[in-house]
Amino acid sequence: NAGVTQTPKFRVLKTGQSMTLLCAQDMNHEYMYWYRQDPGMGLRLIHYSVGEGTTAKGEVPDGYNVSRLKKQNFLLGLESAAPSQTSVYFCASSFRLAGGQETQYFGPGTRLLVL
Amino acid sequence: KQEVTQIPAALSVPEGENLVLNCSFTDSAIYNLQWFRQDPGKGLTSLLLIQSSQREQTSGRLNASLDKSSGRSTLYIAASQPGDSATYLCAVRRSATNAGKSTFGDGTTLTVKP
Repeated sequence: NAGVTQTPKFRVLKTGQSMTLLCAQDMNHEYMYWYRQDPGMGLRLIHYSVGEGTTAKGEVPDGYNVSRLKKQNFLLGLESAAPSQTSVYFCASSFRLAGGQETQYFGPGTRLLVL
Repeated sequence: KQEVTQIPAALSVPEGENLVLNCSFTDSAIYNLQWFRQDPGKGLTSLLLIQSSQREQTSGRLNASLDKSSGRSTLYIAASQPGDSATYLCAVRRSATNAGKSTFGDGTTLTVKP
């Protein structure tokens, strides 16, 4: 199993450009998440999905859109990048056990620099 | 709003030392607390998960404790090794629905010197 993979690993954008970050998991997990990690602010949830075809907003959704057309993929889009979106983006996936326990598996991250 | 604080932000110890990392949270109404390890340039790896009804969890040289009433958790690392050098994050989850709705601390960056 490859686990959770993210593409690309690093990207530099100019303000106003658009891009899509791809997250893929091969563990058949129902739940998938996009976080951003910034110094002094911990990991913050951007959007998440509880199943194929569903998405929901997290803590900091503005400026981002997501899609979950296939169970194994979760895409994060930036329509018009801003310098404030310079960050490290992490994707995670999880499944829930019968007792409600749930462990997230994280991808390696995508470093995004917006100039 | 839940706030999670990890102090100190960085810690350096000689190899072989036992050490404790701290995590405090402001809202004691939690579902569980999880400790993660993050290596430079990598994602997070789950180390230990403590349900709200539990007081501690152990895995190898790691022991995590939870005191909900005081809003604190500690991660104890025994006989530290250079390979333990990483950033350790704790995350607090409020409810049983959806792990993504967790609040993360900023982490403690641990350096174990040979």
